[in-house]
Amino acid sequence: KNEVEQSPQNLTAQEGEFITINCSYSVGISALHWLQQHPGGGIVSLFMLSSGKKKHGRLIATINIQEKHSSLHITASHPRDSAVYICAVRSFSNDYKLSFGAGTTVTVRA
Amino acid sequence: GAVVSQHPSWVICKSGTSVKIECRSLDFQATTMFWYRQFPKQSLMLMATSNEGSKATYEQGVEKDKFLINHASLTLSTLTVTSAHPEDSSFYICSARDRRDGVLYGYTFGSGTRLTVV
Repeated sequence: KNEVEQSPQNLTAQEGEFITINCSYSVGISALHWLQQHPGGGIVSLFMLSSGKKKHGRLIATINIQEKHSSLHITASHPRDSAVYICAVRSFSNDYKLSFGAGTTVTVRA
Repeated sequence: GAVVSQHPSWVICKSGTSVKIECRSLDFQATTMFWYRQFPKQSLMLMATSNEGSKATYEQGVEKDKFLINHASLTLSTLTVTSAHPEDSSFYICSARDRRDGVLYGYTFGSGTRLTVV
């Protein structure tokens, strides 16, 4: 079983809709990262968080350390938000490397 | 913010030749660089971790003689795919820890290199 599980695997939304992507992990972590990968392949780091909530523009990331769960929300979604969103964690036992979820493919239709 | 420049973005090479991929940290010192491989529709697979001035640490199953990693300076790490074969065709991407003055700000990724071996 993968240390990091994401859901859903795929998501299609209409422009303007609120989107939620979930991430569950099974190990103790020092931090969780949300990444965005566009069709061209480049990866952008969206958030790094170890507690609470962070907001950047229309993106909100939350984490519940006790429940080992994080969510990424996209408010007022737009077609340019279409990408693969990847959850990754740094565990206490290996604070160095990232363990990745399989990614959630988000498609926002105009 | 921190930027990692990766070149080339794509490369097509003949079977048996070698290909070098470069990753440069533009505005910070990357003491550690991670090299990943990604197959279509799959997540990133860590190949090796390179530390400036020392030998790279390879993940299990990754051939170190085939995927040569050099991290000779604090701003440059290279991955050379030697004697490339069609099965080496993949998307390769590097990442550096953006650590400044002892504070970890996150991980910065290169734009990736799509390698096609014909």
